[in-house]
Amino acid sequence: DAKTTQPNSMESNEEEPVHLPCNHSTISGTDYIHWYRQLPSQGPEYVIHGLTSNVNNRMASLAIAEDRKSSTLILHRATLRDAAVYYCILPRSGPGNTPLVFGKGTRLSVIA
Amino acid sequence: GAVVSQHPSWVICKSGTSVKIECRSLDFQATTMFWYRQFPKQSLMLMATSNEGSKATYEQGVEKDKFLINHASLTLSTLTVTSAHPEDSSFYICSARLPLGTRRNEQFFGPGTRLTVL
Repeated sequence: DAKTTQPNSMESNEEEPVHLPCNHSTISGTDYIHWYRQLPSQGPEYVIHGLTSNVNNRMASLAIAEDRKSSTLILHRATLRDAAVYYCILPRSGPGNTPLVFGKGTRLSVIA
Repeated sequence: GAVVSQHPSWVICKSGTSVKIECRSLDFQATTMFWYRQFPKQSLMLMATSNEGSKATYEQGVEKDKFLINHASLTLSTLTVTSAHPEDSSFYICSARLPLGTRRNEQFFGPGTRLTVL
């Protein structure tokens, strides 16, 4: 499975932007980069995904490096409800419906 | 958005009994569903890939005779933990894929089922 590397934990003040980094140096040319987050005692929730260009949605922005070996999830204004574990994921290679395989993720704490 | 439900949300059972967990895609058809397990303070671990109308594909180290998976319809997959023991206590999460050709590799996750084996 393609490997991603994320910091174990990060901390942010409420109402400030948060930049969550992810390294994926073994990414292949067709791999999408996915971000999910998991709140305590809940299933993971989709955040955003992208291939090459930077992506924006109502939850976050995804900045992808030009060489695609790293990406950054940007939460523009962190709220207490954003406290979660954030996973940067590359899909397993192979034909058909391949699963998302989770690494350890980054635990984001938001301070009021 | 696509919604995945699980039932029950939590279950407590005695050691040696079997427990069935249901995973449903509520507003879309899912030819493929995935089952994960998560122990406290750990990440999700993929257990198996469930394909409608065919046998599940299990990850290395996951006992297929202990974790029975049935994907009988395009909206329902079940995971049965047979002869459950305390070490099987965990948070079980399913997910379903949108059909290929829609959002690429999009997976939607259920809310999870917390199993406690006494």
